Amino acid sequence: DSGVTQTPKHLITATGQRVTLRCSPRSGDLSVYWYQQSLDQGLQFLIQYYNGEERAKGNILERFSAQQFPDLHSELNLSSLELGDSALYFCASSPDTGRDYGYTFGSGTRLTVV
Amino acid sequence: AQTVTQSQPEMSVQEAETVTLSCTYDTSESDYYLFWYKQPPSRQMILVIRQEAYKQQNATENRFSVNFQKAAKSFSLKISDSQLGDAAMYFCAYKSTQGGSEKLVFGKGTKLTVNP
Repeated sequence: DSGVTQTPKHLITATGQRVTLRCSPRSGDLSVYWYQQSLDQGLQFLIQYYNGEERAKGNILERFSAQQFPDLHSELNLSSLELGDSALYFCASSPDTGRDYGYTFGSGTRLTVV
Repeated sequence: AQTVTQSQPEMSVQEAETVTLSCTYDTSESDYYLFWYKQPPSRQMILVIRQEAYKQQNATENRFSVNFQKAAKSFSLKISDSQLGDAAMYFCAYKSTQGGSEKLVFGKGTKLTVNP
């Protein structure tokens, strides 16, 4: 157990639907990162939150949004889902203040859009 | 923008032998961090080893070591005495220290097979 909790582990939904992925960071970590892993694109950075504020944005579609709550858990909302959104979505956390920290990853949410 | 290239989509090694996975990156920065992550079939991303660019000495973690060549922008991972449990996807990653973002940029990965 890495200390980063992602739910659900698997999600199957239809095109056009909306889903919410949840992440609880490791205790004490203030930064949360969301990544999308697909076969053809590898691991793509979506967005970073630090202590409730958006800090960096990557290749995140307008149909996707995220937030980090006061208790530091984060949610990634995916709407108007398309077949191409099927992927493994990872959440990771870090203490942030230390520049040399790697991330601690959750076990991911496997999203299948049918 | 920084890019990370792993030129070997797949590699194989015999149990107890040594294997080296290649990684090159492109950056104009002088200070940054490099990482190797392992992703076994369980899908969990596990940090294997990290290297700080301003440190000349190559990082080592038990059977895992790196060969960091800053001028060549090369960061290879050597796995010694390979074990069956080392079979996984291995990702090289770059982390900038500038611009207020600590995002990791990943290569596309190398699939390592360990043969008994």
